[in-house]
Amino acid sequence: QVQLQESGPGLVKPSETLPLTCTVSGTSVSSGTYYWGWIRQPPGKGLEWIGTMHYSGRTYYNLSLKSRVIISIDTSKNQVSLKLTSVTAADTAAYFCARLGYCSSGGSCSHDYWGQGILVTVSS
Amino acid sequence: QSVLTQPPSVSAAPGQKVTISCSGSDSNIGSRYVSWYQQLPGTAPKLLIYENDKRPSGIPDRFSGSKSGTSATLGITGLQTGDEADYYCGTWDPSLDIWVFGGGTKLTVL
Repeated sequence: QVQLQESGPGLVKPSETLPLTCTVSGTSVSSGTYYWGWIRQPPGKGLEWIGTMHYSGRTYYNLSLKSRVIISIDTSKNQVSLKLTSVTAADTAAYFCARLGYCSSGGSCSHDYWGQGILVTVSS
Repeated sequence: QSVLTQPPSVSAAPGQKVTISCSGSDSNIGSRYVSWYQQLPGTAPKLLIYENDKRPSGIPDRFSGSKSGTSATLGITGLQTGDEADYYCGTWDPSLDIWVFGGGTKLTVL
């Protein structure tokens, strides 16, 4: 049974760095079949893609966040991490990690498993 | 403003059918598969449809997807009150190497 669980601080001060971890069970982050991603959702708003990573190192980021985001994979701990620097109130959101599966030869995948999400508030 | 355009809301009576549209461009929907997600209140999104029209195991056949050109459609038949949720479309945009979501559609079952 595939499970993803986000963890990290629920409150971060402006200008600081937000570190989140996604612990994966029931599947391996080093499987070449899957990609791993982060998505966020500000309160009352829609989904915003943050970035996606393959264990091989291939990484893709939202262009509007690219200068502040780092996604990494720790195969020894079966975890996917997100670091978002220089946060502001606009970064207040529920943050979800997700697995991308059903990847076709044409280069399309779908977010097939999601964590429950973690609410992060940016405030002094 | 989202790259993919969805109606903000749709509504229908229990037992009826509803469709939700998702409009994009040649660089995203026009060249890649579309997936659909259901987000019940207070929960994480859940994959409903992948590769335009395929359902993951456990998703009832009341949910269907289709794609034509640069638009995709989610259909839900036999509406139930439990279907009240936000629905999102999404796909990859290979011209920019980014994933794009629609703005979401709130379904109300009257």
